[in-house]
Amino acid sequence: ETGVTQTPRHLVMGMTNKKSLKCEQHLGHNAMYWYKQSAKKPLELMFVYSLEERVENNSVPSRFSPECPNSSHLFLHLHTLQPEDSALYLCASSQGLAAYEQYFGPGTRLTVT
Amino acid sequence: KQEVTQIPAALSVPEGENLVLNCSFTDSAIYNLQWFRQDPGKGLTSLLLIQSSQREQTSGRLNASLDKSSGRSTLYIAASQPGDSATYLCAVYNNNDMRFGAGTRLTVKP
Repeated sequence: ETGVTQTPRHLVMGMTNKKSLKCEQHLGHNAMYWYKQSAKKPLELMFVYSLEERVENNSVPSRFSPECPNSSHLFLHLHTLQPEDSALYLCASSQGLAAYEQYFGPGTRLTVT
Repeated sequence: KQEVTQIPAALSVPEGENLVLNCSFTDSAIYNLQWFRQDPGKGLTSLLLIQSSQREQTSGRLNASLDKSSGRSTLYIAASQPGDSATYLCAVYNNNDMRFGAGTRLTVKP
């Protein structure tokens, strides 16, 4: 596969469940990102990783827990979510931080019931 | 705090027209500005990246300009086609933070 892939593409979970979103990039990039896209709101940056170290956490609730085991993989662990967390979660990668173009995956459509 | 605004929110044009999408930002201290398109329910596709030192970038029928001092960027689409119908997003990058506009939803009618 090429580019940035995300699994699952769709996820429905209850508020007491624990689930994980997975992102994999096949571009040889060193930086990876999680974004949230809610209806009628601009895309929001959640987490930034560079060389597997978190460099930015934009005041995201602790019920979202990221993990970056290597430069190709990024996870978002979810637990005790709220219905307002329902959104499209997008992963992106770039060659490095700052001056580099970001490439996005297709997203995971999350519904919290 | 950086704020990004895109005008108009929606635009409908007949096929073949040239059109301009606008993006403005409040903090001119940016590393770069990137334009994306997003099809319904899909991820983002990068169109053009303009570094802070650049004034414009071109790719095919697309041309993006950047005026950092005035906090503005435009995306020019020449000879629009129905396949250009999508939401167009601009985003500015600074200090490990990427801020997006709400997008312009473009419809090109055959």
